Amino acid sequence: QKEVEQNSGPLSVPEGAIASLNCTYSDRGSQSFFWYRQYSGKSPELIMSIYSNGDKEDGRFTAQLNKASQYVSLLIRDSQPSDSATYLCAVKRAGSYQLTFGKGTKLSVIP
Amino acid sequence: AAGVIQSPRHLIKEKRETATLKCYPIPRHDTVYWYQQGPGQDPQFLISFYEKMQSDKGSIPDRFSAQQFSDYHSELNMSSLELGDSALYFCASSFGPFVYEQYFGPGTRLTVT
Repeated sequence: QKEVEQNSGPLSVPEGAIASLNCTYSDRGSQSFFWYRQYSGKSPELIMSIYSNGDKEDGRFTAQLNKASQYVSLLIRDSQPSDSATYLCAVKRAGSYQLTFGKGTKLSVIP
Repeated sequence: AAGVIQSPRHLIKEKRETATLKCYPIPRHDTVYWYQQGPGQDPQFLISFYEKMQSDKGSIPDRFSAQQFSDYHSELNMSSLELGDSALYFCASSFGPFVYEQYFGPGTRLTVT
């Protein structure tokens, strides 16, 4: 079982809708959680970071963390065609430098 | 804002050759990370450096080595290249080990023929 699990998608949503992306992790020592957006052939771009339970909002993006359930999610409100990309969930263990990524969820926003 | 700079952006090598990838972190960032991303795969951590010392090591082959220099730039040296080394190689940087956000560079696409 991979340490970080994501539905590979594709997840298709109409323009203007809310896209909901989910991620579960297996290592209870995970301390830091990140969402990256990656366009095909490009580098991962940091969208959100979250470290404590609850919600964190930044513009159209909201990250949610539930450490008890080992679950992280990303909500994208008012989805735009330019949001179409692969979204990577990444976790970092306390005391470690490395990020462990999920395989990513491919999001397609339909105009 | 300044970003992570990687060079070269594209590199074509033959089997058994060597390659050197360079990374220039965001100004004032002192921690550098290297990741490898194969086709259709997620990024895999290779190695990291904090204040010019190796700070963590992942699935880096023994044929690869890396270092961080006094100006904080880093180089990844790859020898005896194999076809399976063809991938995107990303460098990321952060401001110290206690600020956790890692910012990725544009990557170097290595093709081994």
